[in-house]
Amino acid sequence: DTEVTQTPKHLVMGMTNKKSLKCEQHMGHRAMYWYKQKAKKPPELMFVYSYEKLSINESVPSRFSPECPNSSLLNLHLHALQPEDSALYLCASSQRDSTSGNTIYFGEGSWLTVV
Amino acid sequence: GDSVTQMEGPVTLSEEAFLTINCTYTATGYPSLFWYVQYPGEGLQLLLKATKADDKGSNKGFEATYRKETTSFHLEKGSVQVSDSAVYFCALSSNAGNNRKLIWGLGTSLAVNP
Repeated sequence: DTEVTQTPKHLVMGMTNKKSLKCEQHMGHRAMYWYKQKAKKPPELMFVYSYEKLSINESVPSRFSPECPNSSLLNLHLHALQPEDSALYLCASSQRDSTSGNTIYFGEGSWLTVV
Repeated sequence: GDSVTQMEGPVTLSEEAFLTINCTYTATGYPSLFWYVQYPGEGLQLLLKATKADDKGSNKGFEATYRKETTSFHLEKGSVQVSDSAVYFCALSSNAGNNRKLIWGLGTSLAVNP
């Protein structure tokens, strides 16, 4: 069972809506991640937070806005999305943000459909 | 740059068959290697990992050995079950510098028939 929990599991939103995806981990990890995954493709890194500060932003459009309220929580705010943004959004965490010898643990994901 | 190459799928096997999914890599330094599994409709789960040469990772009957001489980390299971049907991703994390990314293979889809 994953110790990274994501809500909601499914979300359908219109292109003018504002919604948020939420993620929580209780493993004491200090790095948290958002990934985007299209069907049967490898996940694509979007954002990395390290000690609650944004450390990597992979040139993601501004209609995606991450927020890290504390070391256990990570949100992804969504506004004015496009149909091509429909995908599985995965939250993940690890002890620290360097991948050197570090294991990244993923949540179950939030399935987003933009109509 | 660092890269991971996985055998292309889909792979279709009968229950109790032997499974091998090939994974080779190129990397500077001494990467850690991972296999993740994604069951239909679910997120990614860490299946196993190895952090140095000759290490063997194992979990749920799956095994993979970190072979530095052949730069490989092939996934094997002696007898697959229908419940093993999933997409399997090989990934590496580089120890070079302050790398913060996992490098992913393209994934191999496995279907096991009863």
